[in-house]
Amino acid sequence: EAGVAQSPRYKIIEKRQSVAFWCNPISGHATLYWYQQILGQGPKLLIQFQNNGVVDDSQLPKDRFSAERLKGVDSTLKIQPAKLEDSAVYLCASSLEPEEGYTFGSGTRLTVV
Amino acid sequence: AQKVTQAQTEISVVEKEDVTLDCVYETRDTTYYLFWYKQPPSGELVFLIRRNSFDEQNEISGRYSWNFQKSTSSFNFTITASQVVDSAVYFCAHYNYGQNFVFGPGTRLSVLP
Repeated sequence: EAGVAQSPRYKIIEKRQSVAFWCNPISGHATLYWYQQILGQGPKLLIQFQNNGVVDDSQLPKDRFSAERLKGVDSTLKIQPAKLEDSAVYLCASSLEPEEGYTFGSGTRLTVV
Repeated sequence: AQKVTQAQTEISVVEKEDVTLDCVYETRDTTYYLFWYKQPPSGELVFLIRRNSFDEQNEISGRYSWNFQKSTSSFNFTITASQVVDSAVYFCAHYNYGQNFVFGPGTRLSVLP
């Protein structure tokens, strides 16, 4: 079974620029999550999708962050404009049944300079 | 709301020593799930174990063992005869239906040769 795919692996941008991350979950996993992990901290949920609908985006900074999962499969997370404090690893995860645990991708390490 | 505490920020041990990583959680739920994940330097979060709140049996998997004590709200993780490859950040997490994973801040384990 292929894992959760994410790209790019690394990204360096200047503040006020925009950036997009892509995630392809495990086939058949209806639920997809985007997490932000700041250095030295645990992952923090940004948004959760169930198929192509948003279940929870309460911690997504909507003035600059957006995410979509148009066909209920892969997803894109965008930041526009980026701030220095957005420097973090952005992890995508998917699950069949959440209580079974999530499967995480390798993440995208974003550095905003 | 649930909360997960991992009081040990960093631990260093010498190879072949045993090491225990502590996890304490807070929840008002009677049904919940606890997890441990490993995050090696590559960045991907790797699932290690899941335990539901009704199963307090300890579990052993090779050099890994887990001690779940509901009375003290703890779910500790022990590595026996540690190896350099065990060096990583370890996260404890809590999940309940209708909510999302809550991760602890993580414990960075360094196993020195």
